[in-house]
Formats: sequence, structure tokens, C-alpha cells
Amino acid sequence: NAGVTQTPKFQVLKTGQSMTLQCAQDMNHNSMYWYRQDPGMGLRLIYYSASEGTTDKGEVPNGYNVSRLNKREFSLRLESAAPSQTSVYFCASSDMGQGVDEQYFGPGTRLTVT
Amino acid sequence: KQEVTQIPAALSVPEGENLVLNCSFTDSAIYNLQWFRQDPGKGLTSLLLIQSSQREQTSGRLNASLDKSSGRSTLYIAASQPGDSATYLCAPPANQAGTALIFGKGTTLSVSS
Repeated sequence: NAGVTQTPKFQVLKTGQSMTLQCAQDMNHNSMYWYRQDPGMGLRLIYYSASEGTTDKGEVPNGYNVSRLNKREFSLRLESAAPSQTSVYFCASSDMGQGVDEQYFGPGTRLTVT
Repeated sequence: KQEVTQIPAALSVPEGENLVLNCSFTDSAIYNLQWFRQDPGKGLTSLLLIQSSQREQTSGRLNASLDKSSGRSTLYIAASQPGDSATYLCAPPANQAGTALIFGKGTTLSVSS
């Protein structure tokens, strides 16, 4: 049981390049999330998917797109990377099915945009 | 809009001390609150989840309390150890209908031996 996995772990991009961050969970959770963490700002929600087939914007969605590929996978795409998107990106998942909504986080992707 | 404040921002203590980390939030219409631990350069590890129907939740040397009416939660760490050194994050949901979390900026704890 791997929990939440993210790929890649590290990435360096040049301004204007595109990339997709991958996230998968094996806990059969309905909900999945993408957060970014910046020094002095804490973690902020980018997008989330309450269930398969739905996605919604969070606090800082500009410059990002997401795809809920299936129940297990939730990807985050940067179409044209900017230095302001240098950050650590965390994927998380949770499930209200048991009346408890504990979120589990992946190890993160450290992205630098030059 | 839910806002979360954690006090103190940083804390240094000698090994063996009992300590309290504080968290306050502005929207008390929440159904749970989660405490996390983050080691430098690492991801978040869930420590405790308190449901709105509970006032306390315990795991080993950790005890978390929740007072929705006052918009406060505390994390109590008993008999601190150097291995407890990390950043501790408090995270309630954005609101009663939401499942996404709003994070405080954390309390960075350093325990010296």
C-alpha cells in the first residue's frame, strides 16, 4: 500500500516550457487535491476534485490545469511555466465515506522555473 | 474566508519539556480539524484528526483539543524528544461544506538534547 505517490520528485524548467505533474493514490479515495507550498505563504490549494469526473478551482488556480484521469489519478499541468510557479507541489487524497475526512499527502514535487 | 493563525511561529525547548502549540481559526462551522507534522524537505504526515463531536484526540505523547466555539485548537506534546523537531501545521477545512484544507504557517519546533 503506497498511499499517495507523485512524479517527478524534482524538476527544473525554463520559462515558457510545459510539464505535467502526476499523482496517484491506492486508497480508493474519492477526493484528490493539489496544493503548493511557498516560504512564508504556507500551503495553498490550487485545484481539487471532489469525485471522479469533477474538478474545482482553489485559492491559486491561475496558470494551472488539472485532469482527473480516473479515481486513482489526478494530474496538474503547467502550460507555460513562469518563475512565480517555482514551488513545492503536494498532492493529497481523502474520503468522506466513513464520515471521516482525513487527508493523506504525497512526498511532493520540487519545481524550479528559471 | 477561513484564516488560520499558529502561535508561536518558532519554539526551542530542552528535551523532556511538555509544550503546547496553539492554533486559531476564524470560521468555526467546521466538522473536523487536522494536525500535521512536516520535516525539512519532506511531505506532510498526519498526526491527529479531531472530529467536531470530539473535544480531544490522543496518539501516544500527542494530545489535540478542539474548541469550535472559540475557534481554537491546541496540540500538546508530552516529554518532548529531539526527534519531535519539525514544523507542526494546523489545518481546518475551508468551511462546513468544503473538504479542502486551509493551513496555518506552522510552528517550527526545535528540541535540544
